[in-house]
Amino acid sequence: QKEVEQNSGPLSVPEGAIASLNCTYSDRGSQSFFWYRQYSGKSPELIMSIYSNGDKEDGRFTAQLNKASQYVSLLIRDSQPSDSATYLCAVGRNTGGFKTIFGAGTRLFVKA
Amino acid sequence: ETGVTQTPRHLVMGMTNKKSLKCEQHLGHNAMYWYKQSAKKPLELMFVYSLEERVENNSVPSRFSPECPNSSHLFLHLHTLQPEDSALYLCASRGQGSYGYTFGSGTRLTVV
Repeated sequence: QKEVEQNSGPLSVPEGAIASLNCTYSDRGSQSFFWYRQYSGKSPELIMSIYSNGDKEDGRFTAQLNKASQYVSLLIRDSQPSDSATYLCAVGRNTGGFKTIFGAGTRLFVKA
Repeated sequence: ETGVTQTPRHLVMGMTNKKSLKCEQHLGHNAMYWYKQSAKKPLELMFVYSLEERVENNSVPSRFSPECPNSSHLFLHLHTLQPEDSALYLCASRGQGSYGYTFGSGTRLTVV
């Protein structure tokens, strides 16, 4: 079982729609949860972090965490073509130093 | 300069060469990381340096050797690499009390 699992996609949504990205993780001791955006040929950029169950909103982005189900999601409202990128789910834990484990990413394509 | 700077951006090396990748962060962060990113695979943690400790991924071959002379600089020394080591090598830093990473722009390494 992979430590952090994501559907590789591509996920294709029309401009203005809601894009929903999902992630599951295997370590119940995980403490921190992140979404990074990576444009083609660029490095990952942190866009959301969440540490407790529930929803966290930042502009058009909402991160959702359910620790009981070991599930993290990212909703992007009013999707724009500029949101087209690979979204990496990442899970952090503090065991012998803080380390983050990444999923392989979901490619999102927003059609104009 | 601000952020996390990696040099060189691109590197082509033969299997018998020795080269070094450099990472420098100007954010006052106290933890630095090397990650390897191969196509369609999750980011793979190679090495961690922090005030608390240095942590290594035991699966990283000895042909990769990290060096962290101070909290702002991180090197990855390469020798006798294999073609399968071709990948994007990403440096990241993290500040105390923060869990998200700031990534450098990466070094695209090709081993011929």
